[in-house]
Amino acid sequence: GNSVTQMEGPVTLSEEAFLTINCTYTATGYPSLFWYVQYPGEGLQLLLKATKADDKGSNKGFEATYRKETTSFHLEKGSVQVSDSAVYFCALSGGAGNTGKLIFGQGTTLQVKP
Amino acid sequence: EAGVAQSPRYKIIEKRQSVAFWCNPISGHATLYWYQQILGQGPKLLIQFQNNGVVDDSQLPKDRFSAERLKGVDSTLKIQPAKLEDSAVYLCASSLLGRVLSTEAFFGQGTRLTVV
Repeated sequence: GNSVTQMEGPVTLSEEAFLTINCTYTATGYPSLFWYVQYPGEGLQLLLKATKADDKGSNKGFEATYRKETTSFHLEKGSVQVSDSAVYFCALSGGAGNTGKLIFGQGTTLQVKP
Repeated sequence: EAGVAQSPRYKIIEKRQSVAFWCNPISGHATLYWYQQILGQGPKLLIQFQNNGVVDDSQLPKDRFSAERLKGVDSTLKIQPAKLEDSAVYLCASSLLGRVLSTEAFFGQGTRLTVV
């Protein structure tokens, strides 16, 4: 079945460092890919998405490119801030046999130190 | 625009007791989801409704969990009887999800259940 695998956390960075969180997926058909973020004490919220191969999603300085050849959707940010500390979830939806539900990875905790 | 509302925010119960969670989705959203998020894991779908019909409940432990969505709006999720392993955050989400199967889902803040 469809699945998402994220890199293990926690990831600890200093402010202004470069961030990469790896995400790979297994799916049949052509799913859409998402990154959701969960800030402390808050609900899950969409960070960015890409709906087809080679699309780049971007928001708040974060970017991710839908790579069908490597089945990946890695999250990147050039310069992280303390306020980016949160749990990040990669997810997919759609594709063959999917009812529209989101299938999540296990989450990666990011801690940014001043 | 009001978001997805859930209540209660926190609940502590003893094992073998019953509990119910309530969700009010964003107005006009036809699709409603209940997810279970165990500490340290990603959310896992329990049940998906399209209007008031069930689309997917393959991961719902039907011997103890039940859910309904009357009139295609609010929804309740019930656990009876609860087990220790049901301790988790229960997330409700909604989306427009019509013909396009990959629209954004909006999440509530969740209900944190602790079973002791």
